[in-house]
Amino acid sequence: DQQVKQNSPSLSVQEGRISILNCDYTNSMFDYFLWYKKYPAEGPTFLISISSIKDKNEDGRFTVFLNKSAKHLSLHIVPSQPGDSAVYFCAASEGAQKLVFGQGTRLTINP
Amino acid sequence: GAVVSQHPSWVICKSGTSVKIECRSLDFQATTMFWYRQFPKQSLMLMATSNEGSKATYEQGVEKDKFLINHASLTLSTLTVTSAHPEDSSFYICSVYLRDLNQPQHFGDGTRLSIL
Repeated sequence: DQQVKQNSPSLSVQEGRISILNCDYTNSMFDYFLWYKKYPAEGPTFLISISSIKDKNEDGRFTVFLNKSAKHLSLHIVPSQPGDSAVYFCAASEGAQKLVFGQGTRLTINP
Repeated sequence: GAVVSQHPSWVICKSGTSVKIECRSLDFQATTMFWYRQFPKQSLMLMATSNEGSKATYEQGVEKDKFLINHASLTLSTLTVTSAHPEDSSFYICSVYLRDLNQPQHFGDGTRLSIL
């Protein structure tokens, strides 16, 4: 039972354009959502989070949108840079503790 | 700077060997640490919650006698894979939850375990 799903295993975007990564969840008890970035052979690095009381959170080039009715969140990166190439995981939790991760989306930024 | 240090980063050993992985919280005390496992091209799956001074809480399907967790101090949790077999080969990652600082989980760089 995959409670957090990232249906796109990979995404390719041209440098300077917007990257949009999507994530769906099924557990309505989740109240905290996060995006992590991961390089091979390294642990995930926190990017941005959002609580269920908000529908948008912005930090520099990164914006996370939450649509609770659709149980959907997305990460927007604009403008995309070559250094953004990595695997992106969305994660969800009840109360910011035990995290449930999606399968990840490999983002490739092309020059 | 790094919040979590995980050691070793890579282990190759023979089947039947027990392997210990250390996870250290640098600069901060952590009463709660988490252990995850990631198989190739799959998601990170929570294995257990490590609580300082008490027994770890294991997720469903994770054998507690196979994966021994010790959280004897506020800065160190260890995961011991006992009598490891090839199917235990995976990427093991720990994380630290700094509740008092209200921060998201910080992850170590992981340990690549290969059992021959």
